[in-house]
Amino acid sequence: GNSVTQMEGPVTLSEEAFLTINCTYTATGYPSLFWYVQYPGEGLQLLLKATKADDKGSNKGFEATYRKETTSFHLEKGSVQVSDSAVYFCALTRKSGGYQKVTFGIGTKLQVIP
Amino acid sequence: EAGVTQFPSHSVIEKGQTVTLRCDPISGHDNLYWYRRVMGKEIKFLLHFVKESKQDESGMPNNRFLAERTGGTYSTLKVQPAELEDSGVYFCASSQWLAGQETQYFGPGTRLLVL
Repeated sequence: GNSVTQMEGPVTLSEEAFLTINCTYTATGYPSLFWYVQYPGEGLQLLLKATKADDKGSNKGFEATYRKETTSFHLEKGSVQVSDSAVYFCALTRKSGGYQKVTFGIGTKLQVIP
Repeated sequence: EAGVTQFPSHSVIEKGQTVTLRCDPISGHDNLYWYRRVMGKEIKFLLHFVKESKQDESGMPNNRFLAERTGGTYSTLKVQPAELEDSGVYFCASSQWLAGQETQYFGPGTRLLVL
């Protein structure tokens, strides 16, 4: 079956540090890949996505590239801010029977300190 | 445009009681999904509606869980009777297919604690 593996954290960084959250996946065929973010007290928000190999998703300074050869979709940001403190979920969808069930990773908690 | 809304935001109940969670999808979205995150675990799929029809309920834990979507609008998820292991965050998501692409938009979740 489909699965997503990511570090659970917590990851603690100083403001302006470089962020990498690793994500690898297992799926047949060509899934779509996503990063969702959950800020404290809020729901899940779509951060970025990529639907085919070598696509790069980007939003709010975050980037992730769909690497089929390494089955990875690592999240990066060059300079994190305190406001980036949240839980980040890597996810994939694989169309099955006309709809797409989302398979999530465990979530990585990021804490950015001033 | 209003996003996906869920009610209540929090619920604390005792084991054996009944709780009903509600989800209002984005207007016009035919697809509605329920997911659950148990503490320390991944967010897991529970079930999927297309309009008022259940398409896949393979993720429902057991028959204490009942989901409905009357008229293809809002959906409810009832847990009866609740057990301790039902505690977690229940997320609802809705989506619509556009140009062969589907993106699910999630609600804020309902945090359920069973004591």
